[in-house]
Amino acid sequence: QKEVEQNSGPLSVPEGAIASLNCTYSDRGSQSFFWYRQYSGKSPELIMSIYSNGDKEDGRFTAQLNKASQYVSLLIRDSQPSDSATYLCAVQLDQLDKLIFGTGTRLQVFP
Amino acid sequence: DTEVTQTPKHLVMGMTNKKSLKCEQHMGHRAMYWYKQKAKKPPELMFVYSYEKLSINESVPSRFSPECPNSSLLNLHLHALQPEDSALYLCASSPAGHRTDTQYFGPGTRLTVL
Repeated sequence: QKEVEQNSGPLSVPEGAIASLNCTYSDRGSQSFFWYRQYSGKSPELIMSIYSNGDKEDGRFTAQLNKASQYVSLLIRDSQPSDSATYLCAVQLDQLDKLIFGTGTRLQVFP
Repeated sequence: DTEVTQTPKHLVMGMTNKKSLKCEQHMGHRAMYWYKQKAKKPPELMFVYSYEKLSINESVPSRFSPECPNSSLLNLHLHALQPEDSALYLCASSPAGHRTDTQYFGPGTRLTVL
């Protein structure tokens, strides 16, 4: 089992729809979870961080964390073509003193 | 301001060359990181400096040599690289290297080894 898993996609959604991106992790003791957005050829850009169970909202983005299920998700409301990118889930594993990235989910928002 | 800068943006080098990548941040962060990212893959951690001391080396070949001259600056010295080392090299920083800290990435250096 990989430490952090994401569906590679592509996930295609129409403009204005909700995009739902999912991530599972293996280390039950993990405390910190991050979503980064990466446009092709660019560096990762932080979208959200979440540390507690439940939802955290920031504008059109909502991160959801369920530690019991070892699951973290990112919802993007009112998706725009400019949201088309790869979304990387990153988990600070408790067992390893480093940030582990999932393979990323490619999101395509079509007009 | 969450800016991490990296120079150069692009670098082409031969296998016998010696070159250096530079990373700078002025956010007062005390942890700095080097990552390597190949196309369509996630970033892979190479080195971590915490309070100017090397705290993690992810078994990186010795042809990559990191240096942290001060708390704002991080270098990666390159020597005798192989074509498979061609990748995007990312620098990141975080406030203190704690597990809850967010890492902020620089724009990266696109390295091509001929």
